[in-house]
Amino acid sequence: DAGVIQSPRHEVTEMGQEVTLRCKPISGHNSLFWYRQTMMRGLELLIYFNNNVPIDDSGMPEDRFSAKMPNASFSTLKIQPSEPRDSAVYFCASRPGHRDAEAFFGQGTRLTVV
Amino acid sequence: KNEVEQSPQNLTAQEGEFITINCSYSVGISALHWLQQHPGGGIVSLFMLSSGKKKHGRLIATINIQEKHSSLHITASHPRDSAVYICAVRVNYGGSQGNLIFGKGTKLSVKP
Repeated sequence: DAGVIQSPRHEVTEMGQEVTLRCKPISGHNSLFWYRQTMMRGLELLIYFNNNVPIDDSGMPEDRFSAKMPNASFSTLKIQPSEPRDSAVYFCASRPGHRDAEAFFGQGTRLTVV
Repeated sequence: KNEVEQSPQNLTAQEGEFITINCSYSVGISALHWLQQHPGGGIVSLFMLSSGKKKHGRLIATINIQEKHSSLHITASHPRDSAVYICAVRVNYGGSQGNLIFGKGTKLSVKP
C-alpha cells in the first residue's frame, strides 16, 4: 500500500481564495483525521471521520473551514475564504477500525496564504 | 495548562550520547504514541504503548500509567536521529475517544 496520500504537497494562494486539500486514506482504514500543525500551537485535531461520518469537528476553527468524506477512499478539507493565519501544514491520517490501532500519517500539505 | 507536556523543548547532543525525552500527561488515556518528524515534515509513528516498555533498534520507550509519564530513550545517538519527537496520547473519554492530543514536540539535534 502506498500509505496515506495527500495532495497537493505545497499550496500558495492569495488571501480570499478558496483552497481544497485532498486525502486518500489507506485502503480498509475506517477512521480518518485532519490535523493542522503550526509553530505556535503544534499539532491540533481539526475533524475526525469514522466510516465516512464526521464524529468530532470541534477542532474546526470557524465556518470558513469545511471537510467532507464522500466515500471511504477520499476526503477533502476546504477553506473558503482563506486568510494568512490559515498558513500551516495540514496532515491527514487514517487508522483501522479498532480504537487503539495505530494511525498512519500522510506527508502533509504545506499551505501558505499571502 | 497543556494536557500533554514534553521536555525538553530543544536538545542538542554529541554523536554517541544517550538521550532521554520526557512526556507527562494529565488526562485518561488508552495509549501513548511517540512520533518522529524530520525536516521536510513527514510524520512517522515510532511506538504505540499502553504499558511497560518497547524497544526498536536504538530506541526505547517506557510508560508509567500511575505517574502519567513516558520517556523516549535513544542510545548511541547519531546525526540522522536529528528530528522533532512528538508525544501524543489517545484519550479515552467523551465523544472523541480514540483521538490524539499532541505535545509540542522536542527538537533534537545530534552533532557529529
